[in-house]
Amino acid sequence: AQSVTQLDSQVPVFEEAPVELRCNYSSSVSVYLFWYVQYPNQGLQLLLKYLSGSTLVKGINGFEAEFNKSQTSFHLRKPSVHISDTAEYFCAVRVNNAGNMLTFGGGTRLMVKP
Amino acid sequence: EPEVTQTPSHQVTQMGQEVILRCVPISNHLYFYWYRQILGQKVEFLVSFYNNEISEKSEIFDDQFSVERPDGSNFTLKIRSTKLEDSAMYFCASSEEAFYEQYFGPGTRLTVT
Repeated sequence: AQSVTQLDSQVPVFEEAPVELRCNYSSSVSVYLFWYVQYPNQGLQLLLKYLSGSTLVKGINGFEAEFNKSQTSFHLRKPSVHISDTAEYFCAVRVNNAGNMLTFGGGTRLMVKP
Repeated sequence: EPEVTQTPSHQVTQMGQEVILRCVPISNHLYFYWYRQILGQKVEFLVSFYNNEISEKSEIFDDQFSVERPDGSNFTLKIRSTKLEDSAMYFCASSEEAFYEQYFGPGTRLTVT
């Protein structure tokens, strides 16, 4: 079965510092990869996606992620975070030709401190 | 910008009661989904729905659960006889095509007492 691991449950960081949220998945076949953000008391908002093509994808709010097939990773990065980036971030995977269901990681709580 | 909406935002029910959670997907989307997130756990897939029938479902989606698109806009999840362990946040999502990104609603928090 497909699994997604987000290695860090919490990441504290100071405002304007860079951040990387890690995501690894287990699949030997091609996948589609997504990052979602959940602000307090809100639903899941799509940050960015990798479907094919360039392995570096850019999303909203200055976030980007890099697909690394050999390491089965899709880490999320931002060069300079803001207080407003404080939220829960979820990595999700859909396996190609295996239905439409998304498999989510456990989430990483990003806490930006002033 | 179009968005998925869900009602109610919070539902409290007694064990054994039936509940219906409602969703209005984005209007031109063809694929609809339900996910749930038990407090402190991962978001889990329940079911996907296309062309008025279930296209796939998880082990969680047993006979106590059903989905329906009763009209051209609503998409519902029914839990026939709720259990304490059904307490969770339920998210509806929709996508334009099968392999396109899924857009999520704000969720309905279901509390079973």
